Amino acid sequence: EAGVTQFPSHSVIEKGQTVTLRCDPISGHDNLYWYRRVMGKEIKFLLHFVKESKQDESGMPNNRFLAERTGGTYSTLKVQPAELEDSGVYFCASSQMGVSTEAFFGQGTRLTVV
Amino acid sequence: QKEVEQDPGPLSVPEGAIVSLNCTYSNSAFQYFMWYRQYSRKGPELLMYTYSSGNKEDGRFTAQVDKSSKYISLFIRDSQPSDSATYLCAMWGGADGLTFGKGTHLIIQP
Repeated sequence: EAGVTQFPSHSVIEKGQTVTLRCDPISGHDNLYWYRRVMGKEIKFLLHFVKESKQDESGMPNNRFLAERTGGTYSTLKVQPAELEDSGVYFCASSQMGVSTEAFFGQGTRLTVV
Repeated sequence: QKEVEQDPGPLSVPEGAIVSLNCTYSNSAFQYFMWYRQYSRKGPELLMYTYSSGNKEDGRFTAQVDKSSKYISLFIRDSQPSDSATYLCAMWGGADGLTFGKGTHLIIQP
């Protein structure tokens, strides 16, 4: 069974540009989470989807970040326009409904804004 | 004060030693306590989780939770070089996402 897959694995963009990260969760997992790790800091929660609905987006840093999950399958996280402080590793995780404690993580997307 | 405190290390021990990794936390709402292992350039991998206080054992790994002290531990017996990784504690109070510690970088010397 395929795990959580994230694309791209690494992205380098200039300040002010737009970047879209993609996450394909494990098939059948209704819960999808985005997290971010900024260098030197702990992994921080960004938001939580249940199927296609945003359950909680309290961790989103500001309105430059937009997450979508069309059809309750894959999810995208768009950063527009990107700022230097957005650099970090963005992780996606998924879990079955009612089992939020057993979340499986993707390998992450390393975003570098220069 | 951070919600979860974890010594980043590095922690270096000889092969075969017992490893003790710890986290403290401040939010009494946390009910589930997890340990993740993360190899370089990979995503976190769930090792085990515990609900409320108590112990849980899985092979060479034992997780302990003491809610009265807000202290959790992960013990690794008969440590192997392949156990070298970053170990992250994480906690969940039933809402939002997981709250992570910074992770402890563990090195097992052959």
